[in-house]
Amino acid sequence: NAGVTQTPKFRILKIGQSMTLQCAQDMNHNYMYWYRQDPGMGLKLIYYSVGAGITDKGEVPNGYNVSRSTTEDFPLRLELAAPSQTSVYFCASAPSSYNSPLHFGNGTRLTVT
Amino acid sequence: AQSVTQPDIHITVSEGASLELRCNYSYGATPYLFWYVQSPGQGLQLLLKYFSGDTLVQGIKGFEAEFKRSQSSFNLRKPSVHWSDAAEYFCVTSGGGADGLTFGKGTHLIIQP
Repeated sequence: NAGVTQTPKFRILKIGQSMTLQCAQDMNHNYMYWYRQDPGMGLKLIYYSVGAGITDKGEVPNGYNVSRSTTEDFPLRLELAAPSQTSVYFCASAPSSYNSPLHFGNGTRLTVT
Repeated sequence: AQSVTQPDIHITVSEGASLELRCNYSYGATPYLFWYVQSPGQGLQLLLKYFSGDTLVQGIKGFEAEFKRSQSSFNLRKPSVHWSDAAEYFCVTSGGGADGLTFGKGTHLIIQP
């Protein structure tokens, strides 16, 4: 059982480039989330989805886009990368909302230079 | 809006000693409370959760936490730490809703031999 799989593990981007962070889960979870983690700041919610075809903004959505065409996949798109997007990105999933624990991927470390 | 405060950024404990990590929350009603652990280079793993009922909750890896409404606290404890407990610990609260998780900034636990 793979759980939540994120790719790539590491990536370096130049300013203005774009990329897609991949996230897939094999637990048939309806809820999926993207967080970013900056040193000493905890995790901030970027986008979330409550099911295929439904997405919504979190606390820090600017500069990012998401899509949810299937239950399994929830890719995060960075357009016009900026140094402020240097961070560690975590994808998570849950079977339902607030009272279900989140299952996290191992993260993608992104550096924008 | 709910908030979570972890007053200690770093804590150093000797192996075999007891541990208490502090967490204070701010929320009007009874919150849903969680503790997550993040080992270096890994995603977050749920240690334990509190929704209602018995205010002392047991988790994995020998951890426990006590919910104290009068103090708005949900401190994490372990009677005897092991070197493998060295990690980042996050207190998390949820007021409900798909986007309701609020993370504390984390406490970095260092274990001295």
